[in-house]
Amino acid sequence: DAGVTQSPTHLIKTRGQHVTLRCSPISGHKSVSWYQQVLGQGPQFIFQYYEKEERGRGNFPDRFSARQFPNYSSELNVNALLLGDSALYLCASSSPWGPEQYFGPGTRLTVT
Amino acid sequence: AQSVTQPDIHITVSEGASLELRCNYSYGATPYLFWYVQSPGQGLQLLLKYFSGDTLVQGIKGFEAEFKRSQSSFNLRKPSVHWSDAAEYFCAVGSNNNDMRFGAGTRLTVKP
Repeated sequence: DAGVTQSPTHLIKTRGQHVTLRCSPISGHKSVSWYQQVLGQGPQFIFQYYEKEERGRGNFPDRFSARQFPNYSSELNVNALLLGDSALYLCASSSPWGPEQYFGPGTRLTVT
Repeated sequence: AQSVTQPDIHITVSEGASLELRCNYSYGATPYLFWYVQSPGQGLQLLLKYFSGDTLVQGIKGFEAEFKRSQSSFNLRKPSVHWSDAAEYFCAVGSNNNDMRFGAGTRLTVKP
């Protein structure tokens, strides 16, 4: 079975631009979470979606938004990019039967 | 609010030696506890999890962890480390809401 997939793998953007990151969960998983991992730190929770509804939001500004589609894939959008948004963005999915989350390989975003 | 502390930023062990990585958590109820491993530039792989029951849990790659409620700890152990175990290790605490909180990570170096 395919694991969590994310696209693109790498991305370079300029300050002030907008970016969209994509995630496809493991088949059968209905919950998707997004995390930001700055170099040298642990992942920080951004959003969780379940059945297309937002279930949780971390301490991130309104420039960050997300949505989940009927096929349970998800997009993370970041507007007005700042240099500090440079990070590895991780997507994770979980099944209805347990809280453990399975992570994708991440999207490396560099803002110049 | 839930939180996780990993006191050791970096640990170096010799190949074949035993390993213990420390994790302390703060949570109001019985937590869901996890250990993940991350190789450079990669996503996170779930090593093991604790929800309830037996406080000694076995995971993949020969790892185990012990939940000690009195010490609010969930330390990761391995009897004999292999060079391929060199990576970053993250302890995490979760809840029914599925938002996970991660520690800052412990980087493991394995000496030949």
